[in-house]
Amino acid sequence: ETAVFQTPNYHVTQVGNEVSFNCKQTLGHDTMYWYKQDSKKLLKIMFSYNNKQLIVNETVPRRFSPQSSDKAHLNLRIKSVEPEDSAVYLCASSLDRGLEQYFGPGTRLTVL
Amino acid sequence: GQQVQQSPASLVLQEGENAELQCNFSSTATQLQWFYQSPGGSLVSLLSNPSGTKHTGRLTSTTVTKERRSSLHISSSQTTDSGTYLCAIFNMGYKLTFGTGTSLLVDP
Repeated sequence: ETAVFQTPNYHVTQVGNEVSFNCKQTLGHDTMYWYKQDSKKLLKIMFSYNNKQLIVNETVPRRFSPQSSDKAHLNLRIKSVEPEDSAVYLCASSLDRGLEQYFGPGTRLTVL
Repeated sequence: GQQVQQSPASLVLQEGENAELQCNFSSTATQLQWFYQSPGGSLVSLLSNPSGTKHTGRLTSTTVTKERRSSLHISSSQTTDSGTYLCAIFNMGYKLTFGTGTSLLVDP
């Protein structure tokens, strides 16, 4: 099956903890993205990688850091989570930058 | 920066009726994509349509690039069409900017 896979589906943690989310795509795409969807359902891009190179880095707090081992994987680490980090984090990929994007199922983070 | 406005914010239909969703954007778009987000949250790409008219199944999208607008027409709506429809624009080729979405409810 070719698609975008994310783990975990849900994660509940406490303020100050570190969390990591994984994303893998089996579509053979060169570009991957992380988006944040807040409680109002607004989707905003956080990071984008093209062939393991960071090409988009929006204004996000420093506690967020993307990690790419190869072009099929893009993970997201959050050091010392805050309550406002509660959201759904969506990973996506595209064949190349600027082309149609395909999304994973998302990881819902709840920070208590 | 790029702004994407969608209307209506919400829409309620009876099964079998047609729906017309609008997307307006503030600056030139090199690519435009319509997405469906189910109540469970997964995001599915429906159509990629930077200009002109495209059809897929019961969906028709028309984008008028000069006027910075796009529409999504859903014909013969079904209860399973209920969910949120999102319009997203590329500018600069790297960043997808999403609209605020239209929440559609189709009653049986």
